[in-house]
Amino acid sequence: SQQGEEDPQALSIQEGENATMNCSYKTSINNLQWYRQNSGRGLVHLILIRSNEREKHSGRLRVTLDTSKKSSSLLITASRAADTASYFCATWPGGAQKLVFGQGTRLTINP
Amino acid sequence: GAGVSQSPSNKVTEKGKDVELRCDPISGHTALYWYRQSLGQGLEFLIYFQGNSAPDKSGLPSDRFSAERTGGSVSTLTIQRTQQEDSAVYLCASTPTSGGVDTQYFGPGTRLTVL
Repeated sequence: SQQGEEDPQALSIQEGENATMNCSYKTSINNLQWYRQNSGRGLVHLILIRSNEREKHSGRLRVTLDTSKKSSSLLITASRAADTASYFCATWPGGAQKLVFGQGTRLTINP
Repeated sequence: GAGVSQSPSNKVTEKGKDVELRCDPISGHTALYWYRQSLGQGLEFLIYFQGNSAPDKSGLPSDRFSAERTGGSVSTLTIQRTQQEDSAVYLCASTPTSGGVDTQYFGPGTRLTVL
């Protein structure tokens, strides 16, 4: 089964609203990363949060990490139509040499 | 600078044929990963190369899949006797080092369709 599970699987909101996506994982991790994918092609890295961090910001993005609950959230504020994409969380389990990706959240921003 | 490149961008083949997919990582990146993404799904890890170490092949779904990385740079993923279930986007990524602290830089992927 997937290490990371995103919730919801799909999210549709109006432009200007905030979008929140959640990710849960199963094992201890070194870090958790969020990626964005447009049109089913290459992924673009958004933000990395380490296991000893609780919150991180990058522009309109805010990521939180709760290692006690093994969960993370990605908040996109003041959403834009261009934010329409799939968003994936990926965890780097402790001792592993590879990222484990979730199934993704498909975000649609309606103009 | 140049990012990760993959070729071809699209490949249509007939069931039973062999295909080769190529990945050129970012110059100087020591780690290279191959993933497979079926329609509407997440990424499935296939194989990982790190420097001159033996690759981690734990994600290869069958012995029809193989990969090599020549000279620590370019990598080729080969699928023999393709099946329809092999249809997917194959993504390659590289990182400067390994160990869990790096972000991954992805190529645009190769969309493989097996008829």
